[in-house]
This record gives sequence, C-alpha cells and structure tokens, in this order.
Amino acid sequence: EPEVTQTPSHQVTQMGQEVILRCVPISNHLYFYWYRQILGQKVEFLVSFYNNEISEKSEIFDDQFSVERPDGSNFTLKIRSTKLEDSAMYFCASRDREGHGYTFGSGTRLTVV
Amino acid sequence: GNSVTQMEGPVTLSEEAFLTINCTYTATGYPSLFWYVQYPGEGLQLLLKATKADDKGSNKGFEATYRKETTSFHLEKGSVQVSDSAVYFCALRIQGAQKLVFGQGTRLTINP
Repeated sequence: EPEVTQTPSHQVTQMGQEVILRCVPISNHLYFYWYRQILGQKVEFLVSFYNNEISEKSEIFDDQFSVERPDGSNFTLKIRSTKLEDSAMYFCASRDREGHGYTFGSGTRLTVV
Repeated sequence: GNSVTQMEGPVTLSEEAFLTINCTYTATGYPSLFWYVQYPGEGLQLLLKATKADDKGSNKGFEATYRKETTSFHLEKGSVQVSDSAVYFCALRIQGAQKLVFGQGTRLTINP
C-alpha cells in the first residue's frame, strides 16, 4: 500500500536554529498538508498546498514557517527560527483529487531545546 | 466555528469488552466525519468515514453512524482485542474546505 514517508523521525534542534522537515507524499496525490500535535493536545492544521502554492493556512502558520515542493516529489516544511513552543509532532499528509480520506505519514518529533 | 469534542481518555478495557468512544461536533456547514487511529510509533490511519447524515462507516469491526440530530459520530466495537490498543481521533472536514479538524484523541488500552 502506498505510504507517505517523513524524515527524520526525531529531530532535536537549538532554539533559534532553522529546521527543515521532509516528506515524500504518495506519487499521484495532488494535495499536500502539514499538521502538528503538541504533546497532549489536539492535532492542528498548519497548511495545505495545491498546484505549487499554499491553498489554505492557519493562524499558527506565520512568517516563521514556509513550505516548498522543490522537485516534484518532496514536500518540505521549514521553520526559520525555532522556538521552544514549536516542539511537537509534525505530520505530513496527502490526498488525491477524489479522496475524502488523507494518507498521513508517521510524523517527525521535533524537540527544541 | 468548527470543532470536535471526544470523550476524555485514557480508556482501559478488558479483551472482548464492548467499546464506545464518544465524539460530538460543531460545524458551520455540512461536514464529512472521520475516525483515525494511531498505533504506537505509526502515523494516523483512516479507520472509517461517513459523508452524510445517517451513513454508517465500518472497518475492522468498528462502526460509527453519522447522527445529524445529535451532531455525533460515536465509535463502537462489539468485542475489542489487545491489538486495538491505540489512540483514536475523531475528525471532520467541511465540504469544500481543505483541512481536517481533529478532536483531542482518546488513548485506548486493552488488557488481555
């Protein structure tokens, strides 16, 4: 069964450093997403991406965040200057044009120290 | 706004017990409703879905019925197994919108 692959599974970074989280969505999917889950809290929507541009973003997704699909296969989330409160599990997801359900990756646990 | 509320966890049951995890929602439009499951160390997997009122989603012995009158989508299973131990998330997506709105998740532990 096709999978969404996320790397790394766990990343530790110093506060103020830039971090890039990587995702390889399912190859024929058209819509791409990032969600995050702070420990013990809800899974929260960050951003959706379609046709090489952001189609929707939440209030969490401020100027410190950016997304990119640099080569037609990878989908990345960049946090420019990490803060302690960015520590969370980050999930990538993708879906095709017709599907109601999303396919999620297994997540990257980001720890900012 | 749109939101999902799940019953507080954690929930601990014995094998073969009956399971109910409550989920209610608030939505400004006509949502599709979902249950996702997260097994230890894995990502979120779609368990079942329902796209309109009175639809019943089912998979792996789990069921949930879209109840518009009570704005609910409770997850049920008649006889749980140890392998059902996981975190369960209820979610909605408004028609025409991109994002899923999740509940807080319910951790289920099944003891042999």
